[in-house]
Amino acid sequence: DGGITQSPKYLFRKEGQNVTLSCEQNLNHDAMYWYRQDPGQGLRLIYYSQIVNDFQKGDIAEGYSVSREKKESFPLTVTSAQKNPTAFYLCASSQMYSNQPQHFGDGTRLSIL
Amino acid sequence: GENVEQHPSTLSVQEGDSAVIKCTYSDSASNYFPWYKQELGKRPQLIIDIRSNVGEKKDQRIAVTLNKTAKHFSLHITETQPEDSAVYFCAASKNSGTYKYIFGTGTRLKVLA
Repeated sequence: DGGITQSPKYLFRKEGQNVTLSCEQNLNHDAMYWYRQDPGQGLRLIYYSQIVNDFQKGDIAEGYSVSREKKESFPLTVTSAQKNPTAFYLCASSQMYSNQPQHFGDGTRLSIL
Repeated sequence: GENVEQHPSTLSVQEGDSAVIKCTYSDSASNYFPWYKQELGKRPQLIIDIRSNVGEKKDQRIAVTLNKTAKHFSLHITETQPEDSAVYFCAASKNSGTYKYIFGTGTRLKVLA
């Protein structure tokens, strides 16, 4: 879906380093989500946000942090506390009424140097 | 906790045959069931969804059926083509105020030419 942009496409993290993944949407969606996908596995929810300046932990929030200062933007920081960060990270957004579909960005592949 | 089981994990079919993927959910309050197709290294894309007030929905070669009593739903692809080869994910959500998805673990479909 062209309305969600994730950057960068590939990212490398050094030991002890924090890195930030960008997610921007122009769909005017209220809700935004971050998922982690490991090879051959499903999508696990890291954090989600339903409104500006508010967000909630998902199932695997440890070692990650987020912010929601603008409706359009929901960046994810992978901190040095996340000991196994190598994965494919997907951002999604949706409307916030009556179960609307989530639309995904193209993802960021994070690897450790 | 809430759970969605998806079977099979891999499925190989001959071109032109049908493919069926099944998901079972645990939370009886779930009322929205999307299906996503994900090609290698790309974003998941919504291919069809169904809400709990209907039992079946069809879109060309793709259909989804829902059995609320048994708490399972299935994806049916008829006349499969090589371009249908991908990983398919089911999900379930409910009107809980968060609209979080619970994803299945995915099915890798291979259509053999």
